[in-house]
Amino acid sequence: DQQVKQNSPSLSVQEGRISILNCDYTNSMFDYFLWYKKYPAEGPTFLISISSIKDKNEDGRFTVFLNKSAKHLSLHIVPSQPGDSAVYFCAALKMNRDDKIIFGKGTRLHILP
Amino acid sequence: EAGVAQSPRYKIIEKRQSVAFWCNPISGHATLYWYQQILGQGPKLLIQFQNNGVVDDSQLPKDRFSAERLKGVDSTLKIQPAKLEDSAVYLCASSSRAYGYTFGSGTRLTVV
Repeated sequence: DQQVKQNSPSLSVQEGRISILNCDYTNSMFDYFLWYKKYPAEGPTFLISISSIKDKNEDGRFTVFLNKSAKHLSLHIVPSQPGDSAVYFCAALKMNRDDKIIFGKGTRLHILP
Repeated sequence: EAGVAQSPRYKIIEKRQSVAFWCNPISGHATLYWYQQILGQGPKLLIQFQNNGVVDDSQLPKDRFSAERLKGVDSTLKIQPAKLEDSAVYLCASSSRAYGYTFGSGTRLTVV
């Protein structure tokens, strides 16, 4: 039972354009949603997060949008750069004793020159 | 601050052999996690430690996997005996609070 779903295994975007990565979740009790970026042969690194009480969080070229009624979030990267080519994991967290993060399967983003 | 250290980076073993992975978390991080990432999937939590106590090991295949965190610092994850389906990247992460996970580079295990 996948609580966090990333339905697009891969995405190709022209350099300079907007990259939009999508994520859906099933558990309305999640408190935070996070995006991680992973390069080959490296561990995932934290990129940006959003609290469940907000609908938008922006950090430089990265913006995360949360639509709670649709149980959907998206990561926007504008403008896309070659170094953005990586696997992006959507993750969700419920703040309790466990503080366990649940990951989606990831979306591989290719930035085309 | 130094990151989460893992070793080895790569390991190739035959099925039914044993293997152990080591993790040194960020100093002062009380919580340590082991994740299994199979190719094409997201990381799956195997076990979570709070200091040297186990918080969650519900997805750890206990018939073959074991983990310990002696003295609440370093941790080892062992597989005995390994199966072909254990081929994956094993990620260690630590945090002072889950919001600020830091992952190690992982150990890529290939079982042949």
